Amino acid sequence: GQQLNQSPQSMFIQEGEDVSMNCTSSSIFNTWLWYKQDPGEGPVLLIALYKAGELTSNGRLTAQFGITRKDSFLNISASIPSDVGIYFCAGPYSGSRLTFGEGTQLTVNP
Amino acid sequence: DGGITQSPKYLFRKEGQNVTLSCEQNLNHDAMYWYRQDPGQGLRLIYYSQIVNDFQKGDIAEGYSVSREKKESFPLTVTSAQKNPTAFYLCASGEGGTGELFFGEGSRLTVL
Repeated sequence: GQQLNQSPQSMFIQEGEDVSMNCTSSSIFNTWLWYKQDPGEGPVLLIALYKAGELTSNGRLTAQFGITRKDSFLNISASIPSDVGIYFCAGPYSGSRLTFGEGTQLTVNP
Repeated sequence: DGGITQSPKYLFRKEGQNVTLSCEQNLNHDAMYWYRQDPGQGLRLIYYSQIVNDFQKGDIAEGYSVSREKKESFPLTVTSAQKNPTAFYLCASGEGGTGELFFGEGSRLTVL
């Protein structure tokens, strides 16, 4: 299947700090999505991006669809303890199939 | 409330036994998916179905089987042919191939 390279694999930050993570693909994507998974739960969609260069915000979260269509970035500002979890990038290929990055494990220290 | 329900949440089985995981959705979505999650490996697609009575293999279908007899239901059977069945299994549904999926809470299978 399609491979997405997500980095960093893990992050340990202090409450209040900003966070950045990114995802790259060897192929062009027409859609980039970012999901968050709380411990022991299923992922929840945070942001969906449909246009190259698009910058979209959802509260303290901001995501960008890279202009080359091969990458995407997620930023979290002023982190809080409930931001803890695994963040996944994802992109659809071959019709309705969706491939996921390996995730960024975020830990926020109070 | 609309949503997607997986059961059971935890399941223990002996090696060599088949196991069926349930997934039900009332979101009226045509497409349903099964993913497997192992630590540090993200989500890997097992099977997916875009319409009733039709399904396709994903990237790691060997040792698994599914059925889609009703729009609301997409059960997954983990057969004895699956070499490493212990994992967290996630079911999802979605509409229109947008990639916007709704996930269940997952089923954690442990094979002893």
